[in-house]
Amino acid sequence: AQKITQTQPGMFVQEKEAVTLDCTYDTSDQSYGLFWYKQPSSGEMIFLIYQGSYDEQNATEGRYSLNFQKARKSANLVISASQLGDSAMYFCAMSPPYGGATNKLIFGTGTLLAVQP
Amino acid sequence: NAGVTQTPKFRVLKTGQSMTLLCAQDMNHEYMYWYRQDPGMGLRLIHYSVGEGTTAKGEVPDGYNVSRLKKQNFLLGLESAAPSQTSVYFCASSGGGGQFDEQYFGPGTRLTVT
Repeated sequence: AQKITQTQPGMFVQEKEAVTLDCTYDTSDQSYGLFWYKQPSSGEMIFLIYQGSYDEQNATEGRYSLNFQKARKSANLVISASQLGDSAMYFCAMSPPYGGATNKLIFGTGTLLAVQP
Repeated sequence: NAGVTQTPKFRVLKTGQSMTLLCAQDMNHEYMYWYRQDPGMGLRLIHYSVGEGTTAKGEVPDGYNVSRLKKQNFLLGLESAAPSQTSVYFCASSGGGGQFDEQYFGPGTRLTVT
């Protein structure tokens, strides 16, 4: 069975510093997708970044990058130059093999990030 | 485009009452999903649909029923609400079938069962 583990319930970071949010996963599938979502205090889920298991390069989206280490089964999110607006809950999620009838996401328990001025 | 909308945003039910949560999407997506979010836990999939007229069970389906009579709508029903169903419910949709299938989430419905 697939599982996502986020071991950091909460993190603090100074404004303008970089921060890494940890995510490890467990799956026996060879192909899968890894996602990060942001949930601000307002409650909505905002997609940040995606990494496919066969992608050789780490995904980047603006200030977000995904440090993908397949052998270690880790998919850490790196936020560079933190901003106050980055304060939120962050969820790592995994989807089963591409396509088909099961694009279901398995979520971790989340990391609450607080950016301090 | 409104994206994914959910009705209602808040609801309080008494134990044993029934209600239906409505999810609507205007992106012509094939796949739709219902999740619940509880404190200290990530989102968990309740039911999902891969197309009009289809539904399937997710991780935590007990106590819920769903229907997808129209492609743009996905309804989540609670026939006899229990306090354990107090949660925030999220609907999501995705195009389906692609290598990268981002799910778009609605704003959530906060349900309290007393």
